[in-house]
Amino acid sequence: KQEVTQIPAALSVPEGENLVLNCSFTDSAIYNLQWFRQDPGKGLTSLLLIQSSQREQTSGRLNASLDKSSGRSTLYIAASQPGDSATYLCAPRGDNYGQNFVFGPGTRLSVLP
Amino acid sequence: SAVISQKPSRDICQRGTSLTIQCQVDSQVTMMFWYRQQPGQSLTLIATANQGSEATYESGFVIDKFPISRPNLTFSTLTVSNMSPEDSSIYLCSVEDPGEQFFGPGTRLTVL
Repeated sequence: KQEVTQIPAALSVPEGENLVLNCSFTDSAIYNLQWFRQDPGKGLTSLLLIQSSQREQTSGRLNASLDKSSGRSTLYIAASQPGDSATYLCAPRGDNYGQNFVFGPGTRLSVLP
Repeated sequence: SAVISQKPSRDICQRGTSLTIQCQVDSQVTMMFWYRQQPGQSLTLIATANQGSEATYESGFVIDKFPISRPNLTFSTLTVSNMSPEDSSIYLCSVEDPGEQFFGPGTRLTVL
């Protein structure tokens, strides 16, 4: 059974800092991995999707990397802004048919002006 | 990317009653998912709903408590039956389009 952990659980940084969020998963047999952000009381917004054959994906100030063999992914946020404050969740998906995404507990990020 | 809407956005219900949550997608999708997010927790998959077949429930969730309908490729409903305060959560529907998952805004349910 896939288990996902995210470190740190919470993070508070001043505006402008670069930061890294970590995601670890126990079963490396994944099809892809997706990063989401969730604002309080809201649904999830997809940030980046990395296929198992890829090493990284970039979108604007966000860069996600994947090391499938070691069961790790990182989300790098450059030049953080107060609007980046949210909870960030990673979700790997198993590569067997019918396997679904398993969500980590999330990292709660606060970017202080 | 798929655009998903949910109704209601929030509700406060009495113990023992039932609530049906609707999920509408702006495009035809094969797989729809229902998740529960309890306060302060991450997401837990309740079931996968494919059009034309019975929903597939995850361990710990049963059809009598969470009946699901999937009448077509753009719509699904989740009913939370015989509610108790422990059912207070955010309920989210999502779709896969394709290989990437997109979420609705969620339904915040409070059971008194």
